[in-house]
Amino acid sequence: DTGVSQDPRHKITKRGQNVTFRCDPISEHNRLYWYRQTLGQGPEFLTYFQNEAQLEKSRLLSDRFSAERPKGSFSTLEIQRTEQGDSAMYLCASSPPDEQFFGPGTRLTVL
Amino acid sequence: AQTVTQSQPEMSVQEAETVTLSCTYDTSESDYYLFWYKQPPSRQMILVIRQEAYKQQNATENRFSVNFQKAAKSFSLKISDSQLGDAAMYFCAYFPDSNYQLIWGAGTKLIIKP
Repeated sequence: DTGVSQDPRHKITKRGQNVTFRCDPISEHNRLYWYRQTLGQGPEFLTYFQNEAQLEKSRLLSDRFSAERPKGSFSTLEIQRTEQGDSAMYLCASSPPDEQFFGPGTRLTVL
Repeated sequence: AQTVTQSQPEMSVQEAETVTLSCTYDTSESDYYLFWYKQPPSRQMILVIRQEAYKQQNATENRFSVNFQKAAKSFSLKISDSQLGDAAMYFCAYFPDSNYQLIWGAGTKLIIKP
């Protein structure tokens, strides 16, 4: 399978715990995006990498959110001290310079 | 500000009929891309069709076609011979050539009646 993959697909955690999600992009794509999507809404942009450089992170929702893309390959999104309001679908997408290809998403539920 | 507007929160169509989803956008740029994405319930976001702004010809992908009116900043999606599997949320998205970020519409929920 050569598409974008995300792991885990579902995550249930208790409030206050830290969670980390992984995204493996399509190998030849140098751009990688993270989005959050809540029910009935369009994706909400969080952050963006060009290769290993994080070029935009001001839209991360709070300082509890951080993302990395070491070596310009896979990326991780970490949420520290989770809150119930963090419950959402977290989407990853990769792209050449234009069209974005999405992974299946990680659905986070914070109890 | 660059914005994308989908004025139809929900549309329904009889199976085998044709439906058109509307999308308008606001930009001062001349070079950009427009996309329609489909997201079935609890399923992956997939690209339906794309349009480069410099191309005058409307994009077509099998039963899906667009009506791109650059001057009017309009980008509607026509689905012909609707099928049950077309039921999904449809998102219109704008991608400026000078930027990195997709600008999304709020989505239109398409219901297919058997």
